[in-house]
Formats: sequence, structure tokens, C-alpha cells
Amino acid sequence: GDSVTQTEGQVTVSESKSLIINCTYSATSIGYPNLFWYVRYPGEGLQLLLKVITAGQKGSSRGFEATYNKEATSFHLQKASVQESDSAVYYCALSARTGGYKVVFGSGTRLLVSP
Amino acid sequence: NAGVIQTPRHKVTGKGQEATLWCEPISGHSAVFWYRQTIVQGLEFLTYFRNQAPIDDSGMPKERFSAQMPNQSHSTLKIQSTQPQDSAVYLCASSLDTGGEVFFGKGTRLTVV
Repeated sequence: GDSVTQTEGQVTVSESKSLIINCTYSATSIGYPNLFWYVRYPGEGLQLLLKVITAGQKGSSRGFEATYNKEATSFHLQKASVQESDSAVYYCALSARTGGYKVVFGSGTRLLVSP
Repeated sequence: NAGVIQTPRHKVTGKGQEATLWCEPISGHSAVFWYRQTIVQGLEFLTYFRNQAPIDDSGMPKERFSAQMPNQSHSTLKIQSTQPQDSAVYLCASSLDTGGEVFFGKGTRLTVV
């Protein structure tokens, strides 16, 4: 079945430094899945950060970017300069046709930004 | 738009009792998902309805878990004979269309004592 892998359970970055959170996926569908990053800020519900539905394209939101790399089956999340307010849990996810478009999530990466 | 509404927000049950969790999706959304969130397992997919029809329940523990969507305005997740390992936050989500953004409720925290 479809799956998403996030290798880091927690990442700590100093404020104003760059960030990369790794995500790789495996999808059995013909064609390419839709890819997403969701975020849960402290005390809030899970919400969409960005999505990309076309292989090779880049999505961006709130200074974060992720590029859909179909060759590497990756969708890493990057930010050039993090802020303390970016501290949250980030989830990579996919939705594919052969999965009936159910949304499958990675295990999540907690980002701690230190001042 | 009140978003996805889940009730109750917290539920405590004794071991062996039944728990029913409720979800009201966003009006007009055709897809409804249930997930279970734990520290160990992360966000686990449980089951999924589209236009009220069950599409995929591959994540449901078969013996004690069941989900229904009797009408387009609500879905229930029922856990019979609850066990301590069922303790988790159960999240309901809905989506306007297939493959699009999923909107989550605030979850029901189930504690089995």
C-alpha cells in the first residue's frame, strides 16, 4: 500500500537558520499521488500548510517550500530562515487514486526553534 | 462555517465498556476520514467514506471497531469492549473532493481506565 516516511522525529534549529525536514513516499498507483504538508501549531488543530499535485512542481506557503521530486520520490520541506513561531509538528502526506484517494500521513516531525 | 465538529472532546471509559465518537463534517464535503493519533504510532488511518459509502476500512481493528455514516451530516466511530491500548486522540476529517485538502476536527481524546 501507499506509505510516507519521515525519518526525523524531532528537529531543533536556531532562529534565523535554515531548515529541511525530510519526506519520502511510496505509492502503488498509476500516475503520481498528490502530496501535502500539514502542520499542527501548539494548541491548534491540524491544518494544511501546502500541497503539490503535479510532479516537478514546487509549493510554497508562509516561507516554506517543498518540491515534488518523482525520481527520488521525495517531498522535503525547506525554509531559509526559521522563526520561533514555526515551532510545531509537521506531517507529510499523500493521496493517490489507487488508494481511493485516502490520505496517508507520515509519522510527523516536531520542529523546535530556539531563540 | 464551524469546521469539522467532533463530540465529545474528552471521553473516559472503563475497560470493557463501549465508546461512541461523533463527527459532523463540513457541509457539502463528500469525503469523511477517521484517524487515530498516538505518540507511538503517529497519525494512523482508520477508515474513509465518500458520499456516505464506505470506501476503505483497512486501518480499522476488525473485532471491536466499527464506523458508520448514516447521513451526510454525521459519522460515528464505535469501539466495543474498550481496552487501555485504545486510548488515543481520534480525529475526524472531511474533504470537498477526492485528493484535495482535508480539514480536521479538534479530535476526541479517549482515555480507557
